[in-house]
Amino acid sequence: GAVVSQHPSRVICKSGTSVKIECRSLDFQATTMFWYRQFPKQSLMLMATSNEGSKATYEQGVEKDKFLINHASLTLSTLTVTSAHPEDSSFYICSASARDTGYTFGSGTRLTVV
Amino acid sequence: AQSVTQPDIHITVSEGASLELRCNYSYGATPYLFWYVQSPGQGLQLLLKYFSGDTLVQGIKGFEAEFKRSQSSFNLRKPSVHWSDAAEYFCAVVPYSGAGSYQLTFGKGTKLSVIP
Repeated sequence: GAVVSQHPSRVICKSGTSVKIECRSLDFQATTMFWYRQFPKQSLMLMATSNEGSKATYEQGVEKDKFLINHASLTLSTLTVTSAHPEDSSFYICSASARDTGYTFGSGTRLTVV
Repeated sequence: AQSVTQPDIHITVSEGASLELRCNYSYGATPYLFWYVQSPGQGLQLLLKYFSGDTLVQGIKGFEAEFKRSQSSFNLRKPSVHWSDAAEYFCAVVPYSGAGSYQLTFGKGTKLSVIP
């Protein structure tokens, strides 16, 4: 079946630094990739939608200059949290979508900013 | 406004008992419907989905769900719960027909606890 690899699974960084999270579709080409943020004991909140080769579409309230999304190929999207602060600490999940596979989720990245 | 509602925040059942998790949606037309399960610190795993056709959908791990258009519901059921089913369950919808690149909207989730 469709597999999405998300890396790293956990990351701790210092306040003010940047962190990159990768999302790869391993055995299919993803038409679209989605990035979600999940706060403790809450549902997933869509941050942005990205299509290969075009700019990401951000949801209202999501700072595009802080959460940089690059979707350079049909199998790779990256989310970079720039100048991270403690309030950016969260669980980030990507999802890759294709017509034949539907929506496949990565295993998530726990970001802790200290 | 379009929405997905999971009325139960937390449900506790005994192992071996039956389970039903509720999901209601509010959309103009029948959306695509999904149920996902999330274990702590993990991503989401698809249990089952409904696009069209038979309104009773079979999924993995012994789960099933029934789409009821008249009630705008897509409730998840399992006849006999196992301790390993303890997790967070999310109902999700895509408000268009046609697969692929439309965004999922999630309910707030239902946490399932299983008593041995």
